[in-house]
Amino acid sequence: GNSVTQMEGPVTLSEEAFLTINCTYTATGYPSLFWYVQYPGEGLQLLLKATKADDKGSNKGFEATYRKETTSFHLEKGSVQVSDSAVYFCALSNDYKLSFGAGTTVTVRA
Amino acid sequence: DAGVTQSPTHLIKTRGQQVTLRCSPKSGHDTVSWYQQALGQGPQFIFQYYEEEERQRGNFPDRFSGHQFPNYSSELNVNALLLGDSALYLCASSFTGSAETQYFGPGTRLLVL
Repeated sequence: GNSVTQMEGPVTLSEEAFLTINCTYTATGYPSLFWYVQYPGEGLQLLLKATKADDKGSNKGFEATYRKETTSFHLEKGSVQVSDSAVYFCALSNDYKLSFGAGTTVTVRA
Repeated sequence: DAGVTQSPTHLIKTRGQQVTLRCSPKSGHDTVSWYQQALGQGPQFIFQYYEEEERQRGNFPDRFSGHQFPNYSSELNVNALLLGDSALYLCASSFTGSAETQYFGPGTRLLVL
């Protein structure tokens, strides 16, 4: 079956620090991979995606590379801001349904 | 361009009651998926509707049912509510041609007492 494992949080950082959130997956076939972000009291927003091996998704300074050999899709940002405080979800798509990780709560302090 | 909209935003029910949640997809989208997100967890797939039929279903009991209308909007119905049904219910829409990329609404928070 499909499953996603994320680095457990919570993660607390200072502004301008480097952020990494680890994500590994198990899937049949060749899934697409996603990162979604959820701000307090809101739904999920698509942050970035990659549809095949070695693809790099990027948006708003965040990046993640689809690594088939290590079945990973780690999220990185070089310099975080207070506004990046949110819950981040790694997800994979197989047969059009999304399977999510448990989420990682990130808090950025000024 | 309106995104995915859901109603109501919040709902309180008691055990044994029935509830209906509604979703309007993003303009141009024809596929609607429903997810349940319990507190502190990732969303879990309930089912997906396309061309007014249930195309896929996750591991949820038959108490959870749905419908899609000709205008692509959708309803999620839950019968015989249990305390454990308390959660954020998220609707996501996509276009068949790119069904993998799903856009989410703000959700309906259901509390069962």
